[in-house]
Amino acid sequence: GAGVSQSPSNKVTEKGKDVELRCDPISGHTALYWYRQRLGQGLEFLIYFQGNSAPDKSGLPSDRFSAERTGESVSTLTIQRTQQEDSAVYLCASSPDGYNEQFFGPGTRLTVL
Amino acid sequence: DQQVKQNSPSLSVQEGRISILNCDYTNSMFDYFLWYKKYPAEGPTFLISISSIKDKNEDGRFTVFLNKSAKHLSLHIVPSQPGDSAVYFCAASPIIQGAQKLVFGQGTRLTINP
Repeated sequence: GAGVSQSPSNKVTEKGKDVELRCDPISGHTALYWYRQRLGQGLEFLIYFQGNSAPDKSGLPSDRFSAERTGESVSTLTIQRTQQEDSAVYLCASSPDGYNEQFFGPGTRLTVL
Repeated sequence: DQQVKQNSPSLSVQEGRISILNCDYTNSMFDYFLWYKKYPAEGPTFLISISSIKDKNEDGRFTVFLNKSAKHLSLHIVPSQPGDSAVYFCAASPIIQGAQKLVFGQGTRLTINP
């Protein structure tokens, strides 16, 4: 079956511009996560959606970052007024119920010039 | 504050030998631990997990050991194969109702030499 997909795979933008990153989770997975991996670093939790509950936004680094999810389907991560330190690979993962293993997408490599 | 640490950024092992990857954690609330493997340009893929009620979990060539008193876990791969060359991340989570937020280490790049 189809895994987690993310688009675009690569995004180059200029400092100050807004970007939107998309994640399509595995069908039927109620939990969806966004992570960020900066060069040479581990994965950093950003935000978590579980069903119809309010999202856990505790990992978002600033108010320039926001994310939405349509029901139990696609999610978009928006970064406003991008900064060079936002350059990273942004990874999305989904899980059947939020308790078990997370399945990751291939990531979006964001480069802010 | 790095709650999950992988102190070896890289490891090189000869094919057929045992690979041992180590991970330390500081948060005593963590009670579920996972290892993920990542190839370039791909997302991490789940490898093996262990909960705090166990001290060992085995799956084929992969075994994870957990030492709760030392807050240390390790992944053993034996025998190592060239296809095992990848970056390995350990991750930890406190199992709280309705969530499993994973905290990842920085990763260890494993290279298996023929």
